[in-house]
Formats: sequence, C-alpha cells, structure tokens
Amino acid sequence: GAVVSQHPSRVICKSGTSVKIECRSLDFQATTMFWYRQFPKKSLMLMATSNEGSKATYEQGVEKDKFLINHASLTLSTLTVTSAHPEDSSFYICSARVPKLAAGFGGYTFGSGTRLTVV
Amino acid sequence: AQSVTQPDIHITVSEGASLELRCNYSYGATPYLFWYVQSPGQGLQLLLKYFSGDTLVQGIKGFEAEFKRSQSSFNLRKPSVHWSDAAEYFCAVVPANDYKLSFGAGTTVTVRA
Repeated sequence: GAVVSQHPSRVICKSGTSVKIECRSLDFQATTMFWYRQFPKKSLMLMATSNEGSKATYEQGVEKDKFLINHASLTLSTLTVTSAHPEDSSFYICSARVPKLAAGFGGYTFGSGTRLTVV
Repeated sequence: AQSVTQPDIHITVSEGASLELRCNYSYGATPYLFWYVQSPGQGLQLLLKYFSGDTLVQGIKGFEAEFKRSQSSFNLRKPSVHWSDAAEYFCAVVPANDYKLSFGAGTTVTVRA
C-alpha cells in the first residue's frame, strides 16, 4: 500500500522548452506532496511542498517561476520545469505523506524519480 | 541548528560481513527517524522507521536500527550483507513539530566479493 507513481522516469529536452513531471498516489489520497532534487552522489534537497488545492510552499533559493508545482487533486501533483536549461539537469523525486495510521504518524513514500537531461 | 549527520561517506564491506551505518541528529526533541535505501537511478525505499516505543527497530531486508536517546543516534545494522545491499543509504528525520523530511548526506555502501 501507499504507492506513488512518478512519470516519466527519464526525459531529454531541448534548452528553452518546458517539461512536466507527474506524481500520482495510486492507493491513497495525498493531501501533501513534496518535490526533491538530487544532484549526482548528493543528498536530496527539498524544493517545495505542495498541498492539494493551495499554492505550493517553496524552499529558500528555489525559483517558483521556474519550477511550477500544481496539486489540483488528492492524487496528482505535477512539477513543470519551465524554460529548462542544462543546469536544470538533475534527478527529481516526489514524495507523499502517508495518511495517519491508527497509531499516528504514517511517514512518507517516494516516487521512483525522473532523470531530466536538458541539451 | 537542527541537522542530521551521516559521518561515513563511503563504506566498503565484504559479502557476508556485518554492516553498521551511523546516523546522528541534532534536534531539541526526539524527531521521527527513518532509514532509506536508494539503488542507482531509483527512488527511495523505506528500510525502517522509529516513532516511539521499542528502541530496537526491525526493518526489511534483514536490517535493524537502534535508537539511542543519550547519543542522539539511530544507527543501522545488518549482520550479514549480500551483494545486493550495495546502494546509497540515507538517514532522515522529521521534527516532532514539523512535517518536512530532512536527509543526511548519505552513505555509499560497496560490497566486495
């Protein structure tokens, strides 16, 4: 249970174009989702938190106009990298809070990631 | 400042040998604690988590972790590693009064035959 599906797994785009990455919760409702960026051999950096039906909250230093996040339903959050440039090439991972279990805090589940290459 | 630290960047271990990965945290109150594993080009898989209760936590793939409040640590162990355990391991924490997951820098585990 608590599966998050992320697509695409890999994408190559030309510089200046936009790319959309989808993150879907398959068997639960995800009111809160997170988007991370991971550089090679580095840890995960939280980019933003998206809450269903409201604006995303971006971490300091993350350009909200470049990384557009939409969380229009309880099962889908999208990250759009606008006017992508080679420096945006990275591994992007989404995550969702797992609904509270009877005992309390449910934890988090992660998508399989998207490798973005901008050429 | 609040932080989570994984002191070991890279560990090499022989197949069949034991493995211990260190994780220390610096938070005012005991946070929720997690260990995740990541294979190359993949997302993260939860190995185990600690919220409260028994300080020795059993996880998947034969892993266990022990929470030690006095040392602010949550070290991951496996008695006998398999070649398939070669991966990147991340310790992560969520403060008790927050919801954002913070990751340690990660430890790369290499398993030699």
